[in-house]
Amino acid sequence: GENVEQHPSTLSVQEGDSAVIKCTYSDSASNYFPWYKQELGKGPQLIIDIRSNVGEKKDQRIAVTLNKTAKHFSLHITETQPEDSAVYFCAGAAGNKLTFGGGTRVLVKP
Amino acid sequence: DTAVSQTPKYLVTQMGNDKSIKCEQNLGHDTMYWYKQDSKKFLKIMFSYNNKELIINETVPNRFSPKSPDKAHLNLHINSLELGDSAVYFCASSQGTINTGELFFGEGSRLTVL
Repeated sequence: GENVEQHPSTLSVQEGDSAVIKCTYSDSASNYFPWYKQELGKGPQLIIDIRSNVGEKKDQRIAVTLNKTAKHFSLHITETQPEDSAVYFCAGAAGNKLTFGGGTRVLVKP
Repeated sequence: DTAVSQTPKYLVTQMGNDKSIKCEQNLGHDTMYWYKQDSKKFLKIMFSYNNKELIINETVPNRFSPKSPDKAHLNLHINSLELGDSAVYFCASSQGTINTGELFFGEGSRLTVL
């Protein structure tokens, strides 16, 4: 089955700096890669996603890139703000199954 | 209006007891899920139902039994609770299959087994 690895597990950045989270996946049949943000005490919430026919997607301060050949994808957050502090999960979907990475705890220091 | 609501939010119980967690979605979605999040934050699929039919049943002990009385509800019953069952359980829903779009999660039910 699919295996999704996510790095780093924790990331501390200064407010205004950029944050980058990287994921790799194992199943070449995976074709959908969402990113979820989980705030304390809440359920994960979708922030951006990318499909395998696209290499890059941007939405305001967040962007995702996908390299299908290398089987890796990344989340980039620019101009980080304190409200970006949360746990972020990447995921890969093949068929009916969505497999999550282990999560990255992001702390934005004011 | 809460889109995916699950109850209870907190559950503390003794080993060996049986407990249930209820989930309801008012989004009109066809597919509902149960995920387990352990203390290290790993999120793992347990079950998925599409229009009341079981479509994903991961390697979960058969002490866990999901029930979907209709497509807006998916409940989770756990028999003979063990210490290792302590986790946060998330219900989620989506329109269609997993890779057609967004999963909407509930706020989670924190289960503590003593």
